Amino acid sequence: DVKVTQSSRYLVKRTGEKVFLECVQDMDHENMFWYRQDPGLGLRLIYFSYDVKMKEKGDIPEGYSVSREKKERFSLILESASTNQTSMYLCASNLQGALGGYTFGSGTRLTVV
Amino acid sequence: DAKTTQPNSMESNEEEPVHLPCNHSTISGTDYIHWYRQLPSQGPEYVIHGLTSNVNNRMASLAIAEDRKSSTLILHRATLRDAAVYYCIPVGNTGKLIFGQGTTLQVKP
Repeated sequence: DVKVTQSSRYLVKRTGEKVFLECVQDMDHENMFWYRQDPGLGLRLIYFSYDVKMKEKGDIPEGYSVSREKKERFSLILESASTNQTSMYLCASNLQGALGGYTFGSGTRLTVV
Repeated sequence: DAKTTQPNSMESNEEEPVHLPCNHSTISGTDYIHWYRQLPSQGPEYVIHGLTSNVNNRMASLAIAEDRKSSTLILHRATLRDAAVYYCIPVGNTGKLIFGQGTTLQVKP
C-alpha cells in the first residue's frame, strides 16, 4: 500500500513565523497535492504538482508556496503564518491522475497563535 | 470542474445495504467518477472509481447511470466503521480532486 506521511500530526506556531509542512510518499507517484480543511468550508485545494520542480496553484494559494525538489517530497510553506491559516492540512499523492485512486496522509493540525 | 449534488446526510442500520446517490449532470465525457470517504479525525480514503461501466471492489460497488449524469455508491452490508462523510468527485484531465460537501452517513447498531 502507498503511504503518504506528513511529518507532524499537531503543530503550534506563532504569528509571523515561517512554517514548513512536509509530506513524503513512498510509491514514486508523479502527482502530489496540498489541501486545507475547515469546518463549514470543506476541503480546499491549495497547490499541486505533477512532477519535480513543477507546481500549479489550486483554488486558495494566497499566503502559501510549495517546493518539490525530489519526487517523493512535497512541502507546503507558510511564509509568514497568520491566525487565519489555523487549519487541518492534508497532503495527497496519485500516480495516474483520474485513472487511479488518490492516497491521503493523516493530516497536520496547525494552530497559529 | 463538474458540480455534484449529494444528500447532506443519510442513515442506515448495521448490516443493511446502503445506496449513496450523487448527481453530476455537468460531467464531461472524459471525467472519471471517484468516491472517497473520510472517517472522523482521518484523511480521506479512496473507495472506488469508474468511467462508464459499473465497478466492484472489496469495499463497495459503483453503479453509473447510462447517461453518466448520476452514480450510486453501494455498501453491501454497512458496519459501524462505515460511518463517515462520503464524497463523489468527477475527475478530469487536470487530475484535480475538488471536494464538495459530501454525504454524512450514520450507521445505527
